[in-house]
Amino acid sequence: AQSVTQLDSHVSVSEGTPVLLRCNYSSSYSPSLFWYVQHPNKGLQLLLKYTSAATLVKGINGFEAEFKKSETSFHLTKPSAHMSDAAEYFCVVTITSGTYKYIFGTGTRLKVLA
Amino acid sequence: GAGVSQTPSNKVTEKGKYVELRCDPISGHTALYWYRQSLGQGPEFLIYFQGTGAADDSGLPNDRFFAVRPEGSVSTLKIQRTERGDSAVYLCASGSGTGADTQYFGPGTRLTVL
Repeated sequence: AQSVTQLDSHVSVSEGTPVLLRCNYSSSYSPSLFWYVQHPNKGLQLLLKYTSAATLVKGINGFEAEFKKSETSFHLTKPSAHMSDAAEYFCVVTITSGTYKYIFGTGTRLKVLA
Repeated sequence: GAGVSQTPSNKVTEKGKYVELRCDPISGHTALYWYRQSLGQGPEFLIYFQGTGAADDSGLPNDRFFAVRPEGSVSTLKIQRTERGDSAVYLCASGSGTGADTQYFGPGTRLTVL
């Protein structure tokens, strides 16, 4: 069965400092992995996705993530946090056959301090 | 182009009542998914349509929940005899239906059962 674990429910960083949001996955198949962001009262927006091409994936708004099969991880990073990055972030795994339904982590709430 | 739309945005009902939630996917998307997001949790899969048929309904919690997509476009999620535990945000997503492609999410319907 597929699953994702987001290791931190809350992360606080100062504006201008690096962001690291951690995600570990479990999958019996070759996974596709995604990061979505959810701003308050807004819909889920795709940040980036990994689908077995390059292991370092660049997304929108300066975010990137690296797929590490040996560590079963897909951590999200950004070199310099901006106030507008404050939101809930979800790591998602989907299997590459069948229904392609998403399995979400429990989310990490990112707080950016001025 | 237009994204995924969901109506109503908010629905308040009384315990025991019947509700319908509507989803308009992105035009041309054959895959349609419903998810449920409870407070403080990540979204959980309910049902997947490929075209008109429900290809995977394994996430529906019980037989009070039902969904249709009669013409392969608009979908309706139906909940009978609502219970307070059904209170959540119901999310709809659509995709091209080709492999583990990106799912595009609507803004959700917030259902409150009193």
